[in-house]
Amino acid sequence: EVQLQQSGPELEKPGASVKISCKASGYSFSGYNMNWVKQNNGKSLEWIGNIDPYYGDATYNQKFRGKATLTVDKSSSTAYMQLKSLTSEDSAVYYCARRSLLRPYFDYWGQGTTLTVSS
Amino acid sequence: DIQMTQSSSSFSVSLGDRVTITCKASEDIYNRLAWYQQKPGNVPRLLISGATSLETGGPSRFSGSGSGKDYTLSITSLQTEDVATYYCQQYWSTPYTFGGGTKLEIK
Repeated sequence: EVQLQQSGPELEKPGASVKISCKASGYSFSGYNMNWVKQNNGKSLEWIGNIDPYYGDATYNQKFRGKATLTVDKSSSTAYMQLKSLTSEDSAVYYCARRSLLRPYFDYWGQGTTLTVSS
Repeated sequence: DIQMTQSSSSFSVSLGDRVTITCKASEDIYNRLAWYQQKPGNVPRLLISGATSLETGGPSRFSGSGSGKDYTLSITSLQTEDVATYYCQQYWSTPYTFGGGTKLEIK
């Protein structure tokens, strides 16, 4: 069974950084790009970027370049997203979701990680 | 960036109604269109890919159609469990973009 298990909720102060994890199981981790998606207050969805676990190459939405950094640890089948210089605008639910060349849409999603940025 | 527009942000419908949700892309996306269902408090779930292909396990009352810039998601007979927000998403080009969502509520 494919599962994407994300780390728990985060409460951070403005200006801080946070690293969210997404542990994959039930499939070949290197065979699927891992994507990250932001959802503000139950509203619409924004694609942040994705990373190819095999090569470690990341592609970013220009809007999030400089804000988000995507990495992977193939040994533990875990993807990470670091967000830096946090502001209240970064408060949201963040999802990881997998995508492949043959199925180039988001077929499995993590359960979401809620980030709250507050002083 | 390709903009995805769902003209209705919410619908109030009756059980058993036929529902059509529309999604318009700002340019041709060559059927690279997915629909997701998000129930309250839940994770988005892939319903339809390639504009028309129902995912395994998806109820047959759901169907997708369209081409070019214009796409629709239809539900033939609305059930209680279909109360959710529906998002379209293009995967023709990066950045992948989503519509604003259409929320279905029961009258």
